[in-house]
Amino acid sequence: EAGVTQFPSHSVIEKGQTVTLRCDPISGHDNLYWYRRVMGKEIKFLLHFVKESKQDESGMPNNRFLAERTGGTYSTLKVQPAELEDSGVYFCASSLSGSPYNEQFFGPGTRLTVL
Amino acid sequence: AQSVAQPEDQVNVAEGNPLTVKCTYSVSGNPYLFWYVQYPNRGLQFLLKYITGDNLVKGSYGFEAEFNKSQTSFHLKKPSALVSDSALYFCAVRDGGTYKYIFGTGTRLKVLA
Repeated sequence: EAGVTQFPSHSVIEKGQTVTLRCDPISGHDNLYWYRRVMGKEIKFLLHFVKESKQDESGMPNNRFLAERTGGTYSTLKVQPAELEDSGVYFCASSLSGSPYNEQFFGPGTRLTVL
Repeated sequence: AQSVAQPEDQVNVAEGNPLTVKCTYSVSGNPYLFWYVQYPNRGLQFLLKYITGDNLVKGSYGFEAEFNKSQTSFHLKKPSALVSDSALYFCAVRDGGTYKYIFGTGTRLKVLA
């Protein structure tokens, strides 16, 4: 069974540019999450989708970040325009529906560097 | 507010010795706790979780964790460390009535041959 995949693995952009990150969850997982780890600190929650609906977006830092999950399959996270402080590793995770105790399965992350 | 603390940035242990990676938590209500491991250039891999029941939880790769309610701790343990256990370990707690995890800052484990 394929795990959570993320693309690209690395992205280097200039301040002010736009970047779009993609996440493909494990097939059949209705729950999809985005997290971010900045500068070796803790991993912080960004948002949670249930199918195509945003269930919780309390962790989104500001309106420069836009997440979508059209059709309830893969998700994209767009940063526009990117700022220096957006640099970090963006993780996507997915989990089965039915119980909040189901563990989340994480992808390898996208390392974003904003210069 | 819910929080997780991993007090050690790095833990060094000799191969074959027991290892402990510490985690303490602060939650309102019942804690639902998780350990993940990140190997270089890989995603976080699930090791184990505590939801309810026995305080000693067994997980993948020979790891176990001991839930201690009075000390609000959930330390990760392994009886005999391997060099291949060297990685970054994260403790997490589920945030109350939501699905989101709150993570600690991570502990780098280095097992020396």
